[in-house]
Amino acid sequence: EDQVTQSPEALRLQEGESSSLNCSYTVSGLRGLFWYRQDPGKGPEFLFTLYSAGEEKEKERLKATLTKKESFLHITAPKPEDSATYLCAVAPNTGGFKTIFGAGTRLFVKA
Amino acid sequence: KAGVTQTPRYLIKTRGQQVTLSCSPISGHRSVSWYQQTPGQGLQFLFEYFSETQRNKGNFPGRFSGRQFSNSRSEMNVSTLELGDSALYLCASSLGSQKNTEAFFGQGTRLTVV
Repeated sequence: EDQVTQSPEALRLQEGESSSLNCSYTVSGLRGLFWYRQDPGKGPEFLFTLYSAGEEKEKERLKATLTKKESFLHITAPKPEDSATYLCAVAPNTGGFKTIFGAGTRLFVKA
Repeated sequence: KAGVTQTPRYLIKTRGQQVTLSCSPISGHRSVSWYQQTPGQGLQFLFEYFSETQRNKGNFPGRFSGRQFSNSRSEMNVSTLELGDSALYLCASSLGSQKNTEAFFGQGTRLTVV
């Protein structure tokens, strides 16, 4: 069964304290892996798409990497405005055009 | 370029009623997917439409249905509402091709069933 697991559930950081969020996935063929940011009461905001193992993408303080079994979202020198829930999702090759989301990691960055 | 627009933003309904939610995708996007988001279950896939055809469906009861129009706008309907249907309903639009499945979300419709 296709599955996405994110860890940790919640992460509290001091401003400037770098860390990583993990997304482990089990799919029967990966079409793409996505990272989103979601603020309370709003829709998810698209961050990155990764298609193959070894691929990396960066945007400001965020960097996403992908292996055959997991993806990491690295946050370098975070600021309070980076506080949000970060969602990982996968689109399997099979099962039609369906995207499976993980439960998310709630990130709190304290000034 | 306008983003994904969902209407209404907030809705309060009574048990047993039905509700229709609307989603206008990004111009040029032909795929619209619907999700239910609750604190306990996270984002759960409801269904996906492409060029007016449902291509995939999640594990939700038949009370949840949808459709897509020729201009790619989509509606989702929930009949015989239950208290457990209270949630944030999100729609996402994408090009819907095999190689490009990046999806962009609307702000959602917050449905409260009382």
